[in-house]
Amino acid sequence: AAGVIQSPRHLIKEKRETATLKCYPIPRHDTVYWYQQGPGQDPQFLISFYEKMQSDKGSIPDRFSAQQFSDYHSELNMSSLELGDSALYFCASSWGAITPGANVLTFGAGSRLTVL
Amino acid sequence: AQSVTQLGSHVSVSEGALVLLRCNYSSSVPPYLFWYVQYPNQGLQLLLKYTSAATLVKGINGFEAEFKKSETSFHLTKPSAHMSDAAEYFCAVSDMRDSSYKLIFGSGTRLLVRP
Repeated sequence: AAGVIQSPRHLIKEKRETATLKCYPIPRHDTVYWYQQGPGQDPQFLISFYEKMQSDKGSIPDRFSAQQFSDYHSELNMSSLELGDSALYFCASSWGAITPGANVLTFGAGSRLTVL
Repeated sequence: AQSVTQLGSHVSVSEGALVLLRCNYSSSVPPYLFWYVQYPNQGLQLLLKYTSAATLVKGINGFEAEFKKSETSFHLTKPSAHMSDAAEYFCAVSDMRDSSYKLIFGSGTRLLVRP
């Protein structure tokens, strides 16, 4: 079965540079979530999109932005990178919001960002 | 607001022993609860979920969890640990806003399995 695809898997950037992460959800999934997991920490919710509209916002810095495109893939743009942005960034997708609890999130393998 | 608390950042068991990973939740509405497992350098994989049906939920790899409303708990158990169970385990609660059912994760418990 198709899974959530994230690219790139690994990314190394310098401070103050810009990075873009991509997420391709499971086919027919219309909701995308972004999470940030720092070293030894639990995943922290950043932002989500439902049907190409932002549906919820968490602890996403103002330097970050994201969007969901017409084909439902999503991109997370990070600017003015800081050392503290080094983390594993997960994307997850789900289908609809009709049945609470049945809306299981499927996670991608993550994109590991290292800021030097 | 919904939240989960995992007791014990590290749990060590012998191979073949009972695994018990603790999770307590706080929720103002009936919660939807999940357990995810993360192997080193990998993503999060769903083990099992509770969605207000049966209180005893069976998941993959022999894991199960019991929802106890009176104790606000959703502890994860496995009768006999295997070496391959060594991983980080996250308890999570679903937090609904509009059309987003984002997950709120606990701080995680690292399971170590001794030979």
